[in-house]
Amino acid sequence: QSVLTQPPSVSGAPGQRVTISCIGSSSNIGARYDVHWYQQLPGTAPKLLIYGNNNRPSGVPDRFSGSKSGTSASLAITGLQAEDEADYFCQSYDSSLSGPLFGGGTKLTVL
Amino acid sequence: QVQLQESGPGLVKPSGTLSLSCAVSGGSISSNNWWSWVRQPPGKGLEWIGQISHSGGTSYNPSLKSRVSISKDMSKSQFSLKLNSVTAADTAVYYCATVGIAVGRLYFDNWGQGTLVTVSS
Repeated sequence: QSVLTQPPSVSGAPGQRVTISCIGSSSNIGARYDVHWYQQLPGTAPKLLIYGNNNRPSGVPDRFSGSKSGTSASLAITGLQAEDEADYFCQSYDSSLSGPLFGGGTKLTVL
Repeated sequence: QVQLQESGPGLVKPSGTLSLSCAVSGGSISSNNWWSWVRQPPGKGLEWIGQISHSGGTSYNPSLKSRVSISKDMSKSQFSLKLNSVTAADTAVYYCATVGIAVGRLYFDNWGQGTLVTVSS
């Protein structure tokens, strides 16, 4: 079964840097498919945060960055702010699914 | 930027059919875009349901393929989702979204606000 694994939760104090990992396999991230990240604020729809591993849509602060290596990817948030408290999801394409696959999501708590 | 708005019944009976529409504004549904449905059970993660291309071709999540159908109506500038034989496990917030596609990448770049569908008698 195709899976993208994320930690259920991460936390950090205002101003700190946090990272969220996304571990895949040879049928998705390891197959050189790009990784994308979404931010879901409480009670709202997901919003595209990072696309193509490390590209930010217009309007997304440069405090957010993405990286990918091998079968895993990471989202980094620097200068943590209270408004960053949200759920974050990674997503890639999976050849076994023949479609997009989401990670289970990570809840970020700003202490 | 294209705006998306889901609509449809918020309550469906078990074994019934879930039917939702997504109205597209600020852009043309006949443009060179793909249109998709994603769902999120309460308190859980996101699941891709399927998508339809600008030319009408469809692809579905294998786990739902036998029960799902996505179509589009250019005259109404909307695309639709039908999910048959629903159970409580299909209770979720259903989102419509536009799909960004390039070589090696497929992502959801614009989302509707979502609509909660509860399956219950």
